[in-house]
Amino acid sequence: EVQLVESGGGLVQPGRSLRLSCAASGFTFDDYAMHWVRQAPGKGLEWVSGISWNSGSIGYADSVKGRFTISRDNAKNSLYLQMNSLRAEDTALYYCAKDHAKTSSSWSPTLGYWGQGTLVTVSS
Amino acid sequence: SSELTQDPAVSVALGQTVRITCQGDSLRSYYASWYQQKPGQAPVLVIYGKNNRPSGIPDRFSGSSSGNTASLTITGAQAEDEADYYCNSRDSSGNHQNVVFGGGTKLTVL
Repeated sequence: EVQLVESGGGLVQPGRSLRLSCAASGFTFDDYAMHWVRQAPGKGLEWVSGISWNSGSIGYADSVKGRFTISRDNAKNSLYLQMNSLRAEDTALYYCAKDHAKTSSSWSPTLGYWGQGTLVTVSS
Repeated sequence: SSELTQDPAVSVALGQTVRITCQGDSLRSYYASWYQQKPGQAPVLVIYGKNNRPSGIPDRFSGSSSGNTASLTITGAQAEDEADYYCNSRDSSGNHQNVVFGGGTKLTVL
């Protein structure tokens, strides 16, 4: 059974940093691209970042480019999101998601499995 | 980045058919995927590609596309289909690797 478990969320002051983690199990982690998607309270889904299976391709939404860094450790079956210079508008539930199918290049927009999310609140 | 536009809310009578639409320039080049999200739960993929359902998704869910519009159709809507539905696709402007989501449609089953 595919499992994605996010951690690392919490309350943080504006301008500070936070690192999110996603522990994956139930599938061959290094066969799949991975993503971070966020959802502000009461709002819709927003794609944040994607990373290919071998970290060779990485992409970010314009809203986080230059502040967030996605990474993965295939040996540990883990995905990460380093978030710097956090703003109030980054407050959201952050989901880790797995590509639906194996991709040899970057990633597809089809997200086959999602974790339950970790809540990030940016407030003074 | 390009945008995907969805109606904020749609309603359907129990057992009837409902179509939820998603419009955007990127849909002229790329298929949409559709996700169902119930309150307090993570999104679930229900349709992807031309008209593909992941295992476990009932066959009352189907997808189609024409021009700049993708549609999710639920034939014989059930009470458990009441949820928010989101489309997504590749961003056709700028970096085509990036992903864009529609604003979501709240489906009410009457």
